Amino acid sequence: DAGVIQSPRHEVTEMGQEVTLRCKPISGHNSLFWYRQTMMRGLELLIYFNNNVPIDDSGMPEDRFSAKMPNASFSTLKIQPSEPRDSAVYFCASSFSSRIRGAWPLHFGNGTRLTVT
Amino acid sequence: EDKVVQSPLSLVVHEGDTVTLNCSYEVTNFRSLLWYKQEKKAPTFLFMLTSSGIEKKSGRLSSILDKKELFSILNITATQTGDSAIYLCAVNTGTASKLTFGTGTRLQVTL
Repeated sequence: DAGVIQSPRHEVTEMGQEVTLRCKPISGHNSLFWYRQTMMRGLELLIYFNNNVPIDDSGMPEDRFSAKMPNASFSTLKIQPSEPRDSAVYFCASSFSSRIRGAWPLHFGNGTRLTVT
Repeated sequence: EDKVVQSPLSLVVHEGDTVTLNCSYEVTNFRSLLWYKQEKKAPTFLFMLTSSGIEKKSGRLSSILDKKELFSILNITATQTGDSAIYLCAVNTGTASKLTFGTGTRLQVTL
């Protein structure tokens, strides 16, 4: 079991640049989540997909953030333009959920540490 | 707005001590409560609780949920330095696996 795979592990960029974070969920999982973690605010849900369809993006901070899931095995989170306050660890997580069995626990990737200077 | 509050924010104990971590919540459409352990990287799953009063146990760790009083506790007995981590509580609401997390309790176990 390869787990949730995120890339890159670390990203350092200058303010104003575009940043793209990538995620490959666990095969067979039908829900995918993007979280952001900071010391001040902890883990915050940005957006989640169910069966590749965005369900709730109310946590996306601003229009500078966008996320896509073109197929069941790949998702991206893009920040354009990036700002220093976007510096955080971004986690992708996946799970399987159904109306009958309910939700299974999330499995997290190792995160991307983003630093915007 | 869904809210999950953990206490204490941080804790330092000696190896061998027993600790109790607290999690209270105010959410709509509660489905389950989960505990995660986060060391240096990704949070790793510990327990999922859906019913009140039923203790979940794994080695030295145990957890219980009280749906009437809206809280859960995580107990760790005979702590070891390897238990040092951030312990996260999260509540699942809705039909998908959407989790609302608390800010965590940072536990440090010293020799």
